[in-house]
Amino acid sequence: AQTVTQSQPEMSVQEAETVTLSCTYDTSESDYYLFWYKQPPSRQMILVIRQEAYKQQNATENRFSVNFQKAAKSFSLKISDSQLGDAAMYFCAYGGNYQLIWGAGTKLIIKP
Amino acid sequence: GAGVSQSPSNKVTEKGKDVELRCDPISGHTALYWYRQSLGQGLEFLIYFQGNSAPDKSGLPSDRFSAERTGGSVSTLTIQRTQQEDSAVYLCASSLITGGDEQFFGPGTRLTVL
Repeated sequence: AQTVTQSQPEMSVQEAETVTLSCTYDTSESDYYLFWYKQPPSRQMILVIRQEAYKQQNATENRFSVNFQKAAKSFSLKISDSQLGDAAMYFCAYGGNYQLIWGAGTKLIIKP
Repeated sequence: GAGVSQSPSNKVTEKGKDVELRCDPISGHTALYWYRQSLGQGLEFLIYFQGNSAPDKSGLPSDRFSAERTGGSVSTLTIQRTQQEDSAVYLCASSLITGGDEQFFGPGTRLTVL
C-alpha cells in the first residue's frame, strides 16, 4: 500500500526567507501524481502545486517549487520569499488509483 | 459559485442524535470524496463516489456512518447516534475524473457532539 510521510510536524521561517518542507512516499507504481496542498486557519484546502511522475522537470508555481526525486521517492516543497500569508498547514499527497493518500501535515509558521 | 459547497458550516448536536452533512460538488465532477479531519490532524479518508456508486467505503469508521449520492451530484453523509469522538471537521472534495486527479475541496463542516 502506498504511504506518505511528512517528518516535520512544524517548521518556522523568517519572513522573506526560503523554507523547504519534506515529503517522502512509498509506491510500486511508475505513473502517479504528487500534490502539495495548503490549509490556512480558514480550513479551506487549496492546491499549491502538482507534479506528474513521468515528468522529470520539477514543477514551479511562482514562489513555490518542488524537488522531485523519483528514485528516492522524495517530493519536497520550497517556498521562496516567504510571506505572512504562507502560514498554514501544508499537506503532501500521493495520487493513487482513485484517491489521494495524505501525509500528516507540516505546520508552517512565518516570523515577521 | 463554481466551487464545492458544504452545509452546514457548523453543527452542534447532542450525543445520540443523528446528523446529516451535505456536499454540493463542482458541476461535471464525477468523483466525490468525504474526509474527516480531527483538530490539528491530517485527513482521514471516509468514502469515495464514482457517479452515484461508492466503490470504496472502507474508510467509514462504523456502521453508524453512511453516505449517498444522487443524480451524480449532491452527496449526504449521515452519522447516526452521534458520539463525542465523531467531533471533527468533515471535508468534501470533488474531482473531474478519478485516478489521482486534483481534488477540489469544500470549506468543511465542523461537527461538535456534546
